[in-house]
Amino acid sequence: GAVVSQHPSWVICKSGTSVKIECRSLDFQATTMFWYRQFPKQSLMLMATSNEGSKATYEQGVEKDKFLINHASLTLSTLTVTSAHPEDSSFYICSASRRAGETDTQYFGPGTRLTVL
Amino acid sequence: EDKVVQSPLSLVVHEGDTVTLNCSYEVTNFRSLLWYKQEKKAPTFLFMLTSSGIEKKSGRLSSILDKKELFSILNITATQTGDSAIYLCAVEAFTNAGKSTFGDGTTLTVKP
Repeated sequence: GAVVSQHPSWVICKSGTSVKIECRSLDFQATTMFWYRQFPKQSLMLMATSNEGSKATYEQGVEKDKFLINHASLTLSTLTVTSAHPEDSSFYICSASRRAGETDTQYFGPGTRLTVL
Repeated sequence: EDKVVQSPLSLVVHEGDTVTLNCSYEVTNFRSLLWYKQEKKAPTFLFMLTSSGIEKKSGRLSSILDKKELFSILNITATQTGDSAIYLCAVEAFTNAGKSTFGDGTTLTVKP
């Protein structure tokens, strides 16, 4: 159990277009999902925390108008990179938090490789 | 601000060697420390540590936490080429509902 999927797994787009990435928890309900960004040979950088039915909480330095997050249901969160530019090219990973008792465990999606030309 | 520091940043060993990866942290309201292995895609979970001095073991991997000195180690014995990966350490706080702060990772390369 505890599978998280992301779609698409990779995307190439032209500069100025918007790209939507979906994150789904397939076999559990996730009240909280997290979006990370990872540059080559670097660690994961948390972008935002997404709670179902409420506005996402963005980390300092992350533009909320640039990276739109919608957590529409307990199993789906989406990240939309608006007006993408080459510097937005990166590996985007989501994780979903599953509660068991008093413990929250994060399960990661497989990631989405975004390349902006 | 929560902080996680991993060392070394990279490590090259030969098959059969034993390696120790380090993770030190500063976090308010510590809840748990987690180790992940990342190969080509997203990280995969290895261990969650919440109590000091209790070793967690899975095959050739083991990990232990020292909450007094604020660090953890991940040991890999009899390394294999398949152990080559980035190993990430992360900490969670009680106040953050599962939000993790990650270290920069240790890139391990195991040569045949």
